[in-house]
Amino acid sequence: DTAVSQTPKYLVTQMGNDKSIKCEQNLGHDTMYWYKQDSKKFLKIMFSYNNKELIINETVPNRFSPKSPDKAHLNLHINSLELGDSAVYFCASSGTGMHEQFFGPGTRLTVL
Amino acid sequence: QKEVEQDPGPLSVPEGAIVSLNCTYSNSAFQYFMWYRQYSRKGPELLMYTYSSGNKEDGRFTAQVDKSSKYISLFIRDSQPSDSATYLCAMSRPLSLSASKIIFGSGTRLSIRP
Repeated sequence: DTAVSQTPKYLVTQMGNDKSIKCEQNLGHDTMYWYKQDSKKFLKIMFSYNNKELIINETVPNRFSPKSPDKAHLNLHINSLELGDSAVYFCASSGTGMHEQFFGPGTRLTVL
Repeated sequence: QKEVEQDPGPLSVPEGAIVSLNCTYSNSAFQYFMWYRQYSRKGPELLMYTYSSGNKEDGRFTAQVDKSSKYISLFIRDSQPSDSATYLCAMSRPLSLSASKIIFGSGTRLSIRP
């Protein structure tokens, strides 16, 4: 059984389009995250939700909007996609030990 | 200056060698120090974590934290080809009573030659 799942795994789209990435965790964790990993493998936090409440909102463009319908799901919607948005996006979750985060398999986004 | 600095490598060693991976950091507020392993085209997975200074051993892996020098290390003994991956150091600092923020290093790509 997959602990943290993301869909889709690959996403190829044109500049200017709007796309969404979905994330679900079945670990019963209260906190979920979105990370962006660029081509140099640098992993950077974008957002964090705890029990559907936004707790971390890093300096990301307003075109990125997270949505948490319940504590098991955290989706990422991206408007007006740009070339620089091409990266691998990882969803993660953690329980009371916030230092131990469980990552999903990643969504490889390519903007043409 | 980045909060966490890590040599990106790549690092290539023969099977059976001892591997040393290191990170330095600048923020004294970090409390937990972690090592994540990421295989190609996979998500990172937690390998080990340490709270505050000291050593921690788990099988062939040893994590060391020296808070006075702001320096952390991961040692891999008897390295195996299956250890070939990118190793990311990570450190967390509290934001509030219920939230922490993890800062990742840029990762060191390790290759173990059979």
